[in-house]
Amino acid sequence: QLQLQESGPGLVKPSETLSLTCSVSGGSISGTRYYWGWIRQPPGKGLEWIGSIHYSGSTYQNPSLKSRVTMSVDPSRNQFSLTVKSVTASDTAIYYCLTGYNWFDPWGRGTLVTVSS
Amino acid sequence: SYVLTQPPSVSVAPGQTATITCGGNNIGGKSVHWYQQKPGQAPVLVVYDDSDRPSGIPARFSGSNSGDTATLTISRVEAGDEADFYCQVWDSNSDHHVIFGGGTKLTVL
Repeated sequence: QLQLQESGPGLVKPSETLSLTCSVSGGSISGTRYYWGWIRQPPGKGLEWIGSIHYSGSTYQNPSLKSRVTMSVDPSRNQFSLTVKSVTASDTAIYYCLTGYNWFDPWGRGTLVTVSS
Repeated sequence: SYVLTQPPSVSVAPGQTATITCGGNNIGGKSVHWYQQKPGQAPVLVVYDDSDRPSGIPARFSGSNSGDTATLTISRVEAGDEADFYCQVWDSNSDHHVIFGGGTKLTVL
């Protein structure tokens, strides 16, 4: 059964870069049917899609964040990553990694990232 | 971009049926997916493609979609069903692609 786990710093300073990694177990990240993605949720608020990437490198992203977001896949480690540059307090959220294309299942447990000096 | 509208809250007594709606312009022409998020947990897919259930999801959870409204129905509601529920679509006509509704808090009285 596919399982995903986020990792990365829980605190990032304003204007710096947020970097997260998602480790995949129970399946290969190079599986052709899989897209790998990120969704975030500000505390007490709803879900915001960030973007998704196929192991081949094909991506689709939320245009509201696209200029600051980079996604990548590392098949050798069965991991994929997210970076968000020039962060502000509004980037404070629980960040979830997940798999899927039209719908998303399963999700990681999520990791809280706080942007603060 | 495409907008999905959900009621902020729905309340239901145990054993009754809960109905959570998701409104959008001609949403019946799209595939709708539903997620349940319990406090402190990640969302879990409970219905995909309007009415299909992932393995492990009880048959008490069902979905429908027609016209401008998609509906998630939870029969014989239990206390453990209390959660936030989100609808989601893939919008091929928008750069945003993935659209979520604002979420509905289901309270079991």
